[in-house]
Amino acid sequence: GAGVSQSPSNKVTEKGKDVELRCDPISGHTALYWYRQRLGQGLEFLIYFQGNSAPDKSGLPSDRFSAERTGESVSTLTIQRTQQEDSAVYLCASSLKPRGTQYFGPGTRLLVL
Amino acid sequence: DAKTTQPPSMDCAEGRAANLPCNHSTISGNEYVYWYRQIHSQGPQYIIHGLKNNETNEMASLIITEDRKSSTLILPHATLRDTAVYYCIAPRDSNYQLIWGAGTKLIIKP
Repeated sequence: GAGVSQSPSNKVTEKGKDVELRCDPISGHTALYWYRQRLGQGLEFLIYFQGNSAPDKSGLPSDRFSAERTGESVSTLTIQRTQQEDSAVYLCASSLKPRGTQYFGPGTRLLVL
Repeated sequence: DAKTTQPPSMDCAEGRAANLPCNHSTISGNEYVYWYRQIHSQGPQYIIHGLKNNETNEMASLIITEDRKSSTLILPHATLRDTAVYYCIAPRDSNYQLIWGAGTKLIIKP
């Protein structure tokens, strides 16, 4: 079956602009995660969605970052007024149940000039 | 939180077994240990997970010590395509986050 997909695969933007990143999880997966990965570093947790529960936003680095998820489907991560330090790969993962095996998308490579 | 500690890098000869260690001395009784790997420029890929017993699948074997304070991922016959960063992680007990360290960069040499 189809895996996790993300779009766009690459995004170049100018400092101060807003960007929106999209994640399509595996159908039926109730949990969805967003991570950030800076060059040469490990994954940094951003936000977690589980079913209709309130999302865990504890990893969002600032109020410029926000995310939404419609039911158990698509999620969008929005970064407002982008800064150069926001340049990274943004990874989305989904799992069938909480703390279950996570399946990752290919990521969106964001470059802020 | 169950913090994990891994060596930053390892080498292994092609065709030999690669043994990747991980310390998770603060893991609690109901926390699983998960292993993922990330090949360059790709998203992480699930390998295996376990709680107490040793586990084996088509990709690897996972050996967990009796006290659960450490584990070893074994790739029985490493190939060049196994060159990747390997992450050992354990979920937080309360709010489902997975804490990712820097992982081990495994280089398979011909």
